[in-house]
Amino acid sequence: GAGVSQTPSNKVTEKGKYVELRCDPISGHTALYWYRQSLGQGPEFLIYFQGTGAADDSGLPNDRFFAVRPEGSVSTLKIQRTERGDSAVYLCASSRGSSGEMEQFFGPGTRLTVL
Amino acid sequence: LAKTTQPISMDSYEGQEVNITCSHNNIATNDYITWYQQFPSQGPRFIIQGYKTKVTNEVASLFIPADRKSSTLSLPRVSLSDTAVYYCLVGDGRGSTLGRLYFGRGTQLTVWP
Repeated sequence: GAGVSQTPSNKVTEKGKYVELRCDPISGHTALYWYRQSLGQGPEFLIYFQGTGAADDSGLPNDRFFAVRPEGSVSTLKIQRTERGDSAVYLCASSRGSSGEMEQFFGPGTRLTVL
Repeated sequence: LAKTTQPISMDSYEGQEVNITCSHNNIATNDYITWYQQFPSQGPRFIIQGYKTKVTNEVASLFIPADRKSSTLSLPRVSLSDTAVYYCLVGDGRGSTLGRLYFGRGTQLTVWP
C-alpha cells in the first residue's frame, strides 16, 4: 500500500515569505507527527496529532510555526515569515495508534531552503 | 526520556557482522528500546524494538543485558545497502510521551566492498 507522502519534495523560498508543507499519512493512521531534521542531526520533534487535534505541540520552535489537520487525515505545516534558520528537511510520520505506538512510518520529507 | 549515547560512526566490510552499542544509563522501568535506520534523502525506518533479553526479526537482532543500561543492535552479514544512519531511541511512548520520538545524532555505518 501507499506510504506517507509529502509535498513538495523541495521548496525554495525567500526570507520573510510564507510556506505550507503538506503531509498525506497512511490511510487509517490516526496519529500524525511532524519532525524537523537539520544536516548531521537526528529528527527533532515538532508536533503530534491524534485525530484532528494537536495532542502535543511543545516542539514547535515559536509562533511562526503552525500545523493543522482539519479532517484527521492530511496535515499542513505552515511557517510564517520564514528565516534562514528554518532551512531543514521537514519530516512527517504516521502511526496506527496513539501514545502506545512506537513504530512510526516516515515520509521522504520536504527540503526547505530559505534564501 | 532517557538520553542515549552511541558511536558517531562505524565502518565495516561486506559480509561481516556489525554490532552497534547504545548506552542508556537512565532508562526507566517502562521504557522500550527502539532502533531506526535512515538512508540519505529518506525518512527513518523502524528496524526493531525490545524490552529485555534478545529480540530477532528478519533484519536484525537486539541484545539487551539484564540491567538494561545498554543495548546492541546486530546486523548479520552486512551489504553495501546497509550503509545508513542508525538511531537508538529509548522511551515508552505509552504514556506521557504521547508517542513522540527523541532521536540523537545516530551512528553512521559505512559498509565497504
